[in-house]
Amino acid sequence: GAVVSQHPSWVICKSGTSVKIECRSLDFQATTMFWYRQFPKQSLMLMATSNEGSKATYEQGVEKDKFLINHASLTLSTLTVTSAHPEDSSFYICSAKGGTGNQPQHFGDGTRLSIL
Amino acid sequence: AQKITQTQPGMFVQEKEAVTLDCTYDTSDPSYGLFWYKQPSSGEMIFLIYQGSYDQQNATEGRYSLNFQKARKSANLVISASQLGDSAMYFCAMREGRSGTYKYIFGTGTRLKVLA
Repeated sequence: GAVVSQHPSWVICKSGTSVKIECRSLDFQATTMFWYRQFPKQSLMLMATSNEGSKATYEQGVEKDKFLINHASLTLSTLTVTSAHPEDSSFYICSAKGGTGNQPQHFGDGTRLSIL
Repeated sequence: AQKITQTQPGMFVQEKEAVTLDCTYDTSDPSYGLFWYKQPSSGEMIFLIYQGSYDQQNATEGRYSLNFQKARKSANLVISASQLGDSAMYFCAMREGRSGTYKYIFGTGTRLKVLA
């Protein structure tokens, strides 16, 4: 159980393109979803937290207009990287959490984004 | 200040031996959770084990156990009978805050290499 599907797994696109990444909880209702960014050989950096039906809470230094997050249902959250540039190239990984506090986050498989 | 500290950037262990990965944390919240995740080279984050701050006993999940020493604020992961497939990056994480405003903080990770 507790499967999180993240799509696409790889994206290569030109500078200036907007890219949408989907994160779905397949077999549980995700009350909270998290979006992380991970640079090579580094830890996960939390970008934003979203609760279903409400606006995402962004971490300091993360541009809201650059990284648009929508959490429209209990099973789907999307991250849109708008007008992506090479410096946005990274590994983006979502996670979903349901239930009580001691339930772990369950992670998607991540999206490798390369902006040319 | 670092809230989650993993002091071992890399570790080697012989197959079938046990290994301990260190994690110390810093929080003033009385209620928190501690997690360990495994990240293979393929990138996905795999949940291994959870310890709640009020749990009296150390958590165990198969070959994984968490050595929780609350007074020392440490939550070391012990992997018994290491297998080649255990080679991966391991992250310690802490959950702080209240329901609806949870925040997860990850350590910098420890890269474990299991030797045949």
